[in-house]
Amino acid sequence: DAGITQSPRYKITETGRQVTLMCHQTWSHSYMFWYRQDLGHGLRLIYYSAAADITDKGEVPDGYVVSRSKTENFPLTLESATRSQTSVYFCASRPGLARNEQFFGPGTRLTVL
Amino acid sequence: GEDVEQSLFLSVREGDSSVINCTYTDSSSTYLYWYKQEPGAGLQLLTYIFSNMDMKQDQRLTVLLNKKDKHLSLRIADTQTGDSAIYFCAESINNNDMRFGAGTRLTVKP
Repeated sequence: DAGITQSPRYKITETGRQVTLMCHQTWSHSYMFWYRQDLGHGLRLIYYSAAADITDKGEVPDGYVVSRSKTENFPLTLESATRSQTSVYFCASRPGLARNEQFFGPGTRLTVL
Repeated sequence: GEDVEQSLFLSVREGDSSVINCTYTDSSSTYLYWYKQEPGAGLQLLTYIFSNMDMKQDQRLTVLLNKKDKHLSLRIADTQTGDSAIYFCAESINNNDMRFGAGTRLTVKP
């Protein structure tokens, strides 16, 4: 299916475990982004990538790792999950046009116990 | 301040107009956006406005921009129950980033 997908949609894990959230887009968009959404904070940027093998930190990168070996995939890894990382995570992409319009995935709800 | 600010809640009756307000931070933002988020879903772009415009109309949606006050509003005419959602204001702050407000939860009562 065309578009941007995230998996899993729901995940429950324990403190200290490693968790990887997957993001896949079929548009060949240059830019991809990871946000977290928390009540009262809106969306905060974790990491972004301008192209394959190019990544950079956003507003709240601590505790997260990303990679972009292929244009279409942008996984987000929590190396040692903490309860403060309980959140809804959104992946987004954009084609690199000046308008900056981003297209969002459906989100992954992560609970860290 | 450094935050994009929106009121958190708005409740209207079906058929009335809704006005959602936003104050953004960066006077050099070239584009400003309104996104809609329905329960359990990601954000969908509703509309956007280029910073050299004062107003943009798209069917039931009207966006007003006051650059001097860094104020953006979204008016939804003839609001329907299907318009119930969270609406996010966002500004482009450089080529790589957008800054989002916390979202306004719109509830439409029948």
